[in-house]
Amino acid sequence: KQEVTQIPAALSVPEGENLVLNCSFTDSAIYNLQWFRQDPGKGLTSLLLIQSSQREQTSGRLNASLDKSSGRSTLYIAASQPGDSATYLCAVRKVETSGSRLTFGEGTQLTVNP
Amino acid sequence: EAQVTQNPRYLITVTGKKLTVTCSQNMNHEYMSWYRQDPGLGLRQIYYSMNVEVTDKGDVPEGYKVSRKEKRNFPLILESPSPNQTSLYFCASSSTGWNQPQHFGDGTRLSIL
Repeated sequence: KQEVTQIPAALSVPEGENLVLNCSFTDSAIYNLQWFRQDPGKGLTSLLLIQSSQREQTSGRLNASLDKSSGRSTLYIAASQPGDSATYLCAVRKVETSGSRLTFGEGTQLTVNP
Repeated sequence: EAQVTQNPRYLITVTGKKLTVTCSQNMNHEYMSWYRQDPGLGLRQIYYSMNVEVTDKGDVPEGYKVSRKEKRNFPLILESPSPNQTSLYFCASSSTGWNQPQHFGDGTRLSIL
């Protein structure tokens, strides 16, 4: 059974810092990996999606990398801003003949202090 | 505006009283899913649908039913709710293919007393 772990569970940084969030998964036979952010009282917003054949994806100040063989992904946030404060979730998808499963980590709660 | 709309946003009800949480998307997406989010357990997939009249169980389908009679709607039905179904529920949709990002609704907080 796929397990997804995110470290750290919470992170507090001053504005302007570059930071890295980590995600690890136990079954490397994944279809893709997706990073989301969740704001209080809101649903999830997709940030980046990395296919299993890709190594990284970039969007603005965000860069996500994927090392499938070692079961790891990182989300790099450059020049953090208070508006980046949210919970960040990673999720891995597995697709088999029996169906598709999306397994989430519990998230990293990020606080960026002005 | 492209969106996934869930109703109600909040509901407090009692054990055994049937309820339906509606989910509607206006993006003409084929794929739709339901998740529940619980402290310490994260988000878990309940059911998903890849098209009209096509539904499949996720990791925690017990106690839930779904239907997909129209492309835009994917209601979640609790025939006989129990307190262990108290949770925050999310509906999501994506266009064809599991390689597309999912769009989530704002969630429905259910309390079953």
